[in-house]
Amino acid sequence: QQQVKQSPQSLIVQKGGISIINCAYENTAFDYFPWYQQFPGKGPALLIAIRPDVSEKKEGRFTISFNKSAKQFSLHIMDSQPGDSATYFCAAHSQGGSEKLVFGKGTKLTVNP
Amino acid sequence: NAGVMQNPRHLVRRRGQEARLRCSPMKGHSHVYWYRQLPEEGLKFMVYLQKENIIDESGMPKERFSAEFPKEGPSILRIQQVVRGDSAAYFCASSPDWAGGAFFGQGTRLTVV
Repeated sequence: QQQVKQSPQSLIVQKGGISIINCAYENTAFDYFPWYQQFPGKGPALLIAIRPDVSEKKEGRFTISFNKSAKQFSLHIMDSQPGDSATYFCAAHSQGGSEKLVFGKGTKLTVNP
Repeated sequence: NAGVMQNPRHLVRRRGQEARLRCSPMKGHSHVYWYRQLPEEGLKFMVYLQKENIIDESGMPKERFSAEFPKEGPSILRIQQVVRGDSAAYFCASSPDWAGGAFFGQGTRLTVV
């Protein structure tokens, strides 16, 4: 119930391509879905987040698509750049539950020049 | 405004020793969260604290692990009698109100030899 399943585990994309990372959840009490970007040796940094009352949120080259009925959400990185090479984590938070984030296992993205 | 400060960045301990990890939250943040990250894994919630109170320690092992966030000074995560399986990156996050608004530190990488 508390799991967030993330795929793929690793992803290789050419510069300029679209990177797509998917996450699925079971707990319908989750009400906030952030994505974090982590570079080697660094802490996770909040990239973009969405609430289930909207189906899409876009910030620059990053877009979250959210499908409430399917309990799935995804991160799209348009015009991927080598500087986007990092590990990306989806997460979920439950309103009224414990104040913690439940993380997916991460996707290691490599963008080739 | 300095970010979340964790120290040390790297810590090596022999089996059986104690590890003490420190976290200074961002200015104005009274909520602190500790997460553990194993290689190739996402972040796992350990404990959530507010000043002088442990709010949720459901993710923390019952033995050898303890956490505190005193009225003055940093939050401390203490691991007694460390074992090799404790080797991981430990991240602290802080927020002014809820977990979704948390900022992460750079982490402490603990190696038990």
